[in-house]
Amino acid sequence: AQTVTQSQPEMSVQEAETVTLSCTYDTSENNYYLFWYKQPPSRQMILVIRQEAYKQQNATENRFSVNFQKAAKSFSLKISDSQLGDTAMYFCAFMSYTGTASKLTFGTGTRLQVTL
Amino acid sequence: SQTIHQWPATLVQPVGSPLSLECTVEGTSNPNLYWYRQAAGRGLQLLFYSVGIGQISSEVPQNLSASRPQDRQFILSSKKLLLSDSGFYLCAWSPGISNQPQHFGDGTRLSIL
Repeated sequence: AQTVTQSQPEMSVQEAETVTLSCTYDTSENNYYLFWYKQPPSRQMILVIRQEAYKQQNATENRFSVNFQKAAKSFSLKISDSQLGDTAMYFCAFMSYTGTASKLTFGTGTRLQVTL
Repeated sequence: SQTIHQWPATLVQPVGSPLSLECTVEGTSNPNLYWYRQAAGRGLQLLFYSVGIGQISSEVPQNLSASRPQDRQFILSSKKLLLSDSGFYLCAWSPGISNQPQHFGDGTRLSIL
């Protein structure tokens, strides 16, 4: 079974600064996918960024980028130029694909507060 | 474009009462469907998933059940709610037979009194 660990329950960053959220995972699989989801106070889960394990290049989506270290089983999220709207819970998720359905395993989340 | 609808948004039920939460997806066919529960301050736990009509896989033993009577409809049910069933329930979908990410509904906050 896969496990996902987010060791930072809460973090705070000032507006316009950069912050990095940590995530580690454990798996015996070689092919898998990793995601970061954002859950603002409205509670909707929003996909932020995805990374395929077979790709060495780190994924980037505008101000969001990841540092994927497959050997270390580490998948951190960097948010640049933080904005007030980035305030949310951030969940790291591991996806294994059985060939018929994808199963997500989530970490316990990091609560990010962006301040003025 | 695809959309996912989940209702009700909020529900308060007494212990021992039945439950029915509904989720529908529009704009796609043969989706994979999922039910998750999120306890307060915790991550999401996968409860059920379905790859087709009438096909339900359960991830954890519990007081809940799921059904998929139509291709794009997924229902979470209980005959008798327990206090421990309180939480935030999220429905999600992903394209069938693919490695695409899951997309979530807005969730249902269930409180058991």
